[in-house]
Amino acid sequence: KAGVTQTPRYLIKTRGQQVTLSCSPISGHRSVSWYQQTPGQGLQFLFEYFSETQRNKGNFPGRFSGRQFSNSRSEMNVSTLELGDSALYLCASSPVVRTEAFFGQGTRLTVV
Amino acid sequence: AQSVTQLGSHVSVSEGALVLLRCNYSSSVPPYLFWYVQYPNQGLQLLLKYTTGATLVKGINGFEAEFKKSETSFHLTKPSAHMSDAAEYFCAVSPNSGNTPLVFGKGTRLSVIA
Repeated sequence: KAGVTQTPRYLIKTRGQQVTLSCSPISGHRSVSWYQQTPGQGLQFLFEYFSETQRNKGNFPGRFSGRQFSNSRSEMNVSTLELGDSALYLCASSPVVRTEAFFGQGTRLTVV
Repeated sequence: AQSVTQLGSHVSVSEGALVLLRCNYSSSVPPYLFWYVQYPNQGLQLLLKYTTGATLVKGINGFEAEFKKSETSFHLTKPSAHMSDAAEYFCAVSPNSGNTPLVFGKGTRLSVIA
């Protein structure tokens, strides 16, 4: 069974640009969560989608948004990038909410 | 609100020595508990989980953890450290009601000295 796939693995963007990250969950998983990981703040929850509906949202500005498609694939978008958005963005999928989460390899975003 | 505290941001052990990584949680009811491991530039991999039942949980790579309700703890242990165990370890909690997502501790970096 294929794992969680995140694309791209690495990304370099300029301050002020926007970026879209993609996540394909494990087949059959309906819950997708996104996390931001930085050395200073650790793992911070961004948002969670279940059956195309945003079920939970973390404490991030509105520049961070996401969506989930009918096939459970998810995207997250960050607009007007800031230097502080440089991080490893992790996507995780679960068959149902509150079970263990299976993580992708992450997308390393560098904002210059 | 749920929270997780991992005592010690960095733990160093000798190869062959006992590994003990500490995790305490705050919850009004017993939650689901997880340990994840992360190698450099990788995602998180599930080591083990506690949901219900037996309080001593065995995971992959020889790790185990014991849920102690009275101490609100879920410490991770391994009898004999191997060089390949060097990584970052995260404890996580999922509340036993509602649909809130996993809450992670800040992580503990394990170094193994030859």
